[in-house]
Amino acid sequence: DAGVTQSPTHLIKTRGQQVTLRCSPKSGHDTVSWYQQALGQGPQFIFQYYEEEERQRGNFPDRFSGHQFPNYSSELNVNALLLGDSALYLCASSQIDEQFFGPGTRLTVL
Amino acid sequence: QQQVKQSPQSLIVQKGGISIINCAYENTAFDYFPWYQQFPGKGPALLIAIRPDVSEKKEGRFTISFNKSAKQFSLHIMDSQPGDSATYFCAASKGNTGKLIFGQGTTLQVKP
Repeated sequence: DAGVTQSPTHLIKTRGQQVTLRCSPKSGHDTVSWYQQALGQGPQFIFQYYEEEERQRGNFPDRFSGHQFPNYSSELNVNALLLGDSALYLCASSQIDEQFFGPGTRLTVL
Repeated sequence: QQQVKQSPQSLIVQKGGISIINCAYENTAFDYFPWYQQFPGKGPALLIAIRPDVSEKKEGRFTISFNKSAKQFSLHIMDSQPGDSATYFCAASKGNTGKLIFGQGTTLQVKP
């Protein structure tokens, strides 16, 4: 079992650009959550997807959007990047049990 | 009311000692309290979790103590080892697949 996988590992963008991050959940998991972790901080909940619908959303602007595909994989899109969007973006998957996190995508905005 | 407060921010323990990290929450609707371990450059890994219907849960060297009336819970790491050196996060949620609210993290260093 590969666990939760995320791509890419690292990404460098400039202000104003758009970025797409990808997540494949652990086998058997149908729910995907996205978190933003700034350096030295705890992860902050962005949103959660279940059955291809956004089920919950945290306190993030509309620049952050997502999608879940029929195979349960998910994408996180961020538009009009700001310097403050630089962070580790974590994907977590779950079914009826605990959330398991992927290794994250390190996004740097210059 | 959504916050989870974690202390201490950093902790240094000698090998073989006990590491204790504390968390407090406000929202009484929370019913799931996990602890995660994170190494540099990696995602958080679930260590152990507890629900408010029990006051203690032990898995190997890791124990969660839970005080529902005080709205506090803590992680005890017995016989701490240098390999335990990492950042530890407490979290809380309503339901075990819901939105996790994380504490600020504790950086643990176990000295040989």
